[in-house]
Amino acid sequence: SAVISQKPSRDICQRGTSLTIQCQVDSQVTMMFWYRQQPGQSLTLIATANQGSEATYESGFVIDKFPISRPNLTFSTLTVSNMSPEDSSIYLCSVALGGETQYFGPGTRLLVL
Amino acid sequence: DAKTTQPTSMDCAEGRAANLPCNHSTISGNEYVYWYRQIHSQGPQYIIHGLKNNETNEMASLIITEDRKSSTLILPHATLRDTAVYYCIVSGAGYSSASKIIFGSGTRLSIRP
Repeated sequence: SAVISQKPSRDICQRGTSLTIQCQVDSQVTMMFWYRQQPGQSLTLIATANQGSEATYESGFVIDKFPISRPNLTFSTLTVSNMSPEDSSIYLCSVALGGETQYFGPGTRLLVL
Repeated sequence: DAKTTQPTSMDCAEGRAANLPCNHSTISGNEYVYWYRQIHSQGPQYIIHGLKNNETNEMASLIITEDRKSSTLILPHATLRDTAVYYCIVSGAGYSSASKIIFGSGTRLSIRP
């Protein structure tokens, strides 16, 4: 398995501002993923982030709103830009190990006022 | 869209076996069946996965039908700490976009004392 940490663990932000969420893994991984979980809902995949290439976004998510960086094999960031109350969610990163299994971070709880 | 169908909720008595069903009638030959669970306010936790053979680990057993169109997750001796939302997911393996996980609604399992 992998140990995954996220920063911040939670935040309260004003609308119109941006927040960058960090995801750190204790081992080198090729594939990292970012998910959103809106209140009372299941997880929705935002994008897949591979080191050295542009992130691949799922339908309904765009790079201008959710820019992602993947500077090395142990780290990634997701920025939630120009936030509105509808962006209030839990944001989670995950990593794929051994090509088969994903492990998830603890999540970042975001409230936008 | 998720490729699986699960009951919305189930309950089980503490100490008894919890059997969680999942239908995945459109599963393809190279897709695995994964089970994750999400305890309130935490990131999803990997439980078990399999391709076509039954699997067992320290957490649970996975029974996959011969035609692979359905499976059952078995928690042999449920405890109160097993109360969570359980997600059944089909996903490809390997370092490709096929390994991304699409979450359905899951089954909310409640363990009663």
